[in-house]
Amino acid sequence: DGGITQSPKYLFRKEGQNVTLSCEQNLNHDAMYWYRQDPGQGLRLIYYSQIVNDFQKGDIAEGYSVSREKKESFPLTVTSAQKNPTAFYLCASKAGWNEQFFGPGTRLTVL
Amino acid sequence: QKEVEQDPGPLSVPEGAIVSLNCTYSNSAFQYFMWYRQYSRKGPELLMYTYSSGNKEDGRFTAQVDKSSKYISLFIRDSQPSDSATYLCAIGGGSNYKLTFGKGTLLTVNP
Repeated sequence: DGGITQSPKYLFRKEGQNVTLSCEQNLNHDAMYWYRQDPGQGLRLIYYSQIVNDFQKGDIAEGYSVSREKKESFPLTVTSAQKNPTAFYLCASKAGWNEQFFGPGTRLTVL
Repeated sequence: QKEVEQDPGPLSVPEGAIVSLNCTYSNSAFQYFMWYRQYSRKGPELLMYTYSSGNKEDGRFTAQVDKSSKYISLFIRDSQPSDSATYLCAIGGGSNYKLTFGKGTLLTVNP
């Protein structure tokens, strides 16, 4: 089955800890995206990558980092510099011009 | 003025009703218009995608775009309880491959 997988589904972080969220796709899409979703808010873009070994900051990149070493994988690290990381994180990949397809999401909670 | 505005609702309708969901946008450079459906605690699912003014129909769903008014709509005919979800509009265009999302409208269809 082709699709986007995210792991883990739920993640708990202690204060001062870095955590990494996984995103894998087998759709052979070049572009991949990370979004953050908070209650009552739309999706806000954190980082995106149009090609392997290249990525750009989105609207709310502070406190986050990414890598794109393989076409299939786009992991997101939430660093201790992110002061309010509790949110629902969504990974997406892009087909064609603009259609983005989303993974199931990771819910991150700070303890 | 925000780039994309969407009434958050909530919207509650009886089963079988026609539902109208709407977004307005400010940037006339936007060329691609999408509607996503998001069930609670799940990733968004692409429902409709169009890039021109006019109507596009897919089963019970019709997407309508009016570029002159910068207004897009999603109509759901014969609504079902399984349509209960948050509906997000997403708009893109230009060369930056990014989408701008509305905040979403929460729809409940009551049996």
